[in-house]
Order: sequence, then C-alpha cells, then structure tokens
Amino acid sequence: SQQGEEDPQALSIQEGENATMNCSYKTSINNLQWYRQNSGRGLVHLILIRSNEREKHSGRLRVTLDTSKKSSSLLITASRAADTASYFCATLDQTGANNLFFGTGTRLTVIP
Amino acid sequence: DAGITQSPRHKVTETGTPVTLRCHQTENHRYMYWYRQDPGHGLRLIHYSYGVKDTDKGEVSDGYSVSRSKTEDFLLTLESATSSQTSVYFCAIGGQPKNIQYFGAGTRLSVL
Repeated sequence: SQQGEEDPQALSIQEGENATMNCSYKTSINNLQWYRQNSGRGLVHLILIRSNEREKHSGRLRVTLDTSKKSSSLLITASRAADTASYFCATLDQTGANNLFFGTGTRLTVIP
Repeated sequence: DAGITQSPRHKVTETGTPVTLRCHQTENHRYMYWYRQDPGHGLRLIHYSYGVKDTDKGEVSDGYSVSRSKTEDFLLTLESATSSQTSVYFCAIGGQPKNIQYFGAGTRLSVL
C-alpha cells in the first residue's frame, strides 16, 4: 500500500496552544497536501507543498516537507476550538496515474 | 461542498442486494473519484474517471464498478453488497496537474 501514516493518531490541546501533526509516506512525490475533515463532512483542502519546497505558510498553518526522510509536518498556531477536526495528509505520486494517497489521519481536539 | 452532490446520504441495505451511489458535479471537472473511508485506514481510492466513459481501478476496486456517461455524473455500483462494504463513501473532483481535490459530503452505507 502507498498509504501514508500520521502521527499522532489523536491530539488534545488547550485553546491558544500550537498543534503539530506529522505525516510519513513511502514513495517519491510531486506534491503533498493537507486536508481537514469536520465530523460528518467531506474533506477540505488546506495547503499544498511541492516536492522542491521545504516550508510553506498559509495564515495560521505552517507545513514543512523533508523528502529525504519522506515526511511532512503540519503546525497550527494559536489553535481555536473551531480547529477541532481530523487532519489528513495526501501525497501525489510520480506514477502516470497521478492519484492522491491519503494518510490515516490525526484527530485534533481543541479544548476551549 | 464545492458543487458536488452525493445521493443518497444514508442507505441501509441487505447482503446480496445491488446498490448504486450517485455523484453529481456542477464544476465541469474532467476527473472524478470514489473513495471509501474506514476507521484506521483513512481514505482509499476505489475507482476514478478521467473523462466520459474513461474509468480506471484504484487501490480497493474489488466488488465495485463505476460508470460515467456524462461529465457531471459518476456512479458507483456494488453489484452484490457484502458486510465488508459497510463504510462511508466519498466522491471527489480534482484538477490536473496538482490534483487538489474537492469532496462531496459523503454517503454512509450499512450492509446488514
């Protein structure tokens, strides 16, 4: 399976703290994406980082990518209760099919 | 949910019966995807389509078939439902080359 792994599986923090979640993958990639899923809803795209980039920012989100270790991290700064959701990484591989492979997700709970 | 409608949203059926799930998009995307989401597995690709009447298998295609007769509609059929196909099914549309995907709200299927 080309599916990635995310760590931790679950994370609980207080509002205002930073949340960091990690993703490891197995193959060479074109890009890596992070998605968010609120309970009972579909996934929503958050941010994309290309394989030749090392860090990217979007608002309170910071993503890093280390292709030598085949890993990425998502940092959410100054968390809010509304950030409570599951977060998934997804990799776009370099095969001709050009499909996304999703990780198993991190469940983030932000306590008000 | 980005102009993507899945129907039905919930379905309960019996083992051995055929089931068809529908995905309808208003975004005119060429690529459409069907995933299943199960605890501990994240999202896994079942089938995808890269144009009208052009489809291909994903990671977990056994027991599923798809059809795409119009750009806006992508159907997923379980020919003879089994209990192992109890899951939440998501449809997504995506663009090339980055393949950022947009998801429907999901269909919760229970096979008894």
